[in-house]
Amino acid sequence: ETGVTQTPRHLVMGMTNKKSLKCEQHLGHNAMYWYKQSAKKPLELMFVYNFKEQTENNSVPSRFSPECPNSSHLFLHLHTLQPEDSALYLCASSQDWDPDSPLHFGNGTRLTVT
Amino acid sequence: AQSVTQLGSHVSVSEGALVLLRCNYSSSVPPYLFWYVQYPNQGLQLLLKYTTGATLVKGINGFEAEFKKSETSFHLTKPSAHMSDAAEYFCAVSGGYQKVTFGIGTKLQVIP
Repeated sequence: ETGVTQTPRHLVMGMTNKKSLKCEQHLGHNAMYWYKQSAKKPLELMFVYNFKEQTENNSVPSRFSPECPNSSHLFLHLHTLQPEDSALYLCASSQDWDPDSPLHFGNGTRLTVT
Repeated sequence: AQSVTQLGSHVSVSEGALVLLRCNYSSSVPPYLFWYVQYPNQGLQLLLKYTTGATLVKGINGFEAEFKKSETSFHLTKPSAHMSDAAEYFCAVSGGYQKVTFGIGTKLQVIP
C-alpha cells in the first residue's frame, strides 16, 4: 500500500468516550502532522512531529493527545470531546521539515461528537 | 507573519471555459506557494508548487499558476474546464519550517 492511510474513515462518539485515530505513511517521510478541517474555516494545524519528536503543539486542548511511536505511524487519542470538535481530521506527511517540502494527505477521519 | 486570501468561496464555470481561481498572499519572508485540490471524501492533493526560479509553474491535470511578486498573487488557471475538475481548491503559503498557512478554499463547479 502506498501513500498516507487513515483509519477509521468515519467515527461517531459520545462526549464521554475514548477513541483513537490512526495514521500510517508508506512514503519514507520524516515529518507527520495532524490537521483539523472544519466547514468555512482554513485548515488548522494541530500537531507536528519531526523524526518522531513533537515540534509543534498549536494550542490544542488536552482532550486531544498525539502519539508518534515511529516515523511511519501517528495516532490521535481522543477523550471527553465536545460537539464543536466534530470535523474532518487529516493526517499528512512530508519528506522533511523544509518549507518547500509539500504535504501528502490521507483521506481523513470524519468525526462526529454527539 | 503570513496569510492567504482566496477570492471567491464558490466559482462556477462552463465545461470548456477558462478556470481562474484567485489567491493573494502576504509573507514576511520569501514565500513558498502551493495549490492543493480536494475531491469529495478525500484528503488534499498537491497540484503544483512555487519555490524559486520560473514564475510560471505547471502542475498536474493541465493546471498552472503564475507567481507575481509585485501583486503578491499566485492565481491558478486552466484553459479549458473539465467536469472532473469539480472540487475544492486550496492555496497555501509556507514561510518557515512547516509553518504552512492555508486559504479558506474555493469550490469549483463545472456546468455541463
